Amino acid sequence: DGGITQSPKYLFRKEGQNVTLSCEQNLNHDAMYWYRQDPGQGLRLIYYSQIVNDFQKGDIAEGYSVSREKKESFPLTVTSAQKNPTAFYLCASSIAWGPMNTEAFFGQGTRLTVV
Amino acid sequence: SQQGEEDPQALSIQEGENATMNCSYKTSINNLQWYRQNSGRGLVHLILIRSNEREKHSGRLRVTLDTSKKSSSLLITASRAADTASYFCALEGGSGNTGKLIFGQGTTLQVKP
Repeated sequence: DGGITQSPKYLFRKEGQNVTLSCEQNLNHDAMYWYRQDPGQGLRLIYYSQIVNDFQKGDIAEGYSVSREKKESFPLTVTSAQKNPTAFYLCASSIAWGPMNTEAFFGQGTRLTVV
Repeated sequence: SQQGEEDPQALSIQEGENATMNCSYKTSINNLQWYRQNSGRGLVHLILIRSNEREKHSGRLRVTLDTSKKSSSLLITASRAADTASYFCALEGGSGNTGKLIFGQGTTLQVKP
């Protein structure tokens, strides 16, 4: 099945620890995105990647890091510098970057809780 | 960066009624998209309307776009209990946002059986 897979579904982190969220897609999409969603809120863009080996900061990049070493993978690391990391994290991909008028496909999300 | 503002924040209707949600924005866009999110799940794409289009239909969904007023509306006709979800508009492109997909805060729709 083609799609975008996030793992794990639930993740618990102790304060002061870094944690990495996985996002894999087999849709052959160039563009990938990470969003954060807080309860009852919309999605806020953390990082996005236009193509392999390139990524850009979104609106709330502080305390997060990403890599894009393979087209299929766009892992997000939540570092200890992120002061309020408890949230629902969503990864998405789309065919191409820029004004290509294409939809985004989303994973099922990872719920991160700091304990 | 710009963000769509959705109205109303919450909507409760009876099954069979129509539901209308609105999205307003401030700068130019390449396209506007609507997504649905069931509680605790990922988002599912519903419909995309390009900046040079005024209206699109998909099943019971009707989307309009008025670029002069910088607003869009999503109409769900003959609603069903299964339509209960959050609905988000997303803006692609425009000043300072080329290639980004920026989401609004969403409208929570409850359809009562």
